[in-house]
Amino acid sequence: QQQVKQSPQSLIVQKGGISIINCAYENTAFDYFPWYQQFPGKGPALLIAIRPDVSEKKEGRFTISFNKSAKQFSLHIMDSQPGDSATYFCAASSAYSGAGSYQLTFGKGTKLSVIP
Amino acid sequence: DTAVSQTPKYLVTQMGNDKSIKCEQNLGHDTMYWYKQDSKKFLKIMFSYNNKELIINETVPNRFSPKSPDKAHLNLHINSLELGDSAVYFCASSRAGDTQYFGPGTRLTVL
Repeated sequence: QQQVKQSPQSLIVQKGGISIINCAYENTAFDYFPWYQQFPGKGPALLIAIRPDVSEKKEGRFTISFNKSAKQFSLHIMDSQPGDSATYFCAASSAYSGAGSYQLTFGKGTKLSVIP
Repeated sequence: DTAVSQTPKYLVTQMGNDKSIKCEQNLGHDTMYWYKQDSKKFLKIMFSYNNKELIINETVPNRFSPKSPDKAHLNLHINSLELGDSAVYFCASSRAGDTQYFGPGTRLTVL
């Protein structure tokens, strides 16, 4: 059972355009929603994260929009650049509650290609 | 300074062998993790280890055994390697409930 569904699987965007990646989750106990960026041959690196007490968080060109009632969250990359080309993962975790605590459940990833 | 390091970066071995992957973090974190990333890039938690408490993922075969000599190290030992074990293995660390920092990964190829 996949608890975090991510779409699209791949995305091609023109330089300067907006990249949008969507995720939906099932477990209402999730309370931390990070996005990770992974370049080929590297480990995932935290890009931006949100907790459900806010509906939006912005850091530079990256924005997370969060809809608690719909159990959905999305990543928006404004003014997309070729250097943003990477695989993006949404994830979710819940506060400590015994076995399985603090473990991130990842979406399947979105390969973003920004073309000049 | 590297925050989370793993060795080796590449590991090629034959089926049936036993191998270990080492992980060290210098961030002072109290929780460490092992993740497996398959050929389709899907990342899945294998283990988490917090203050000497090991949380085992039920889907991980018991051929996989994490060993933590101290809070800064979490090694992964794999017995009787199988073709399906080929993947990239990532170590990560965090303060409990906080951002997880990933290592560079170990690409394991089982022939």
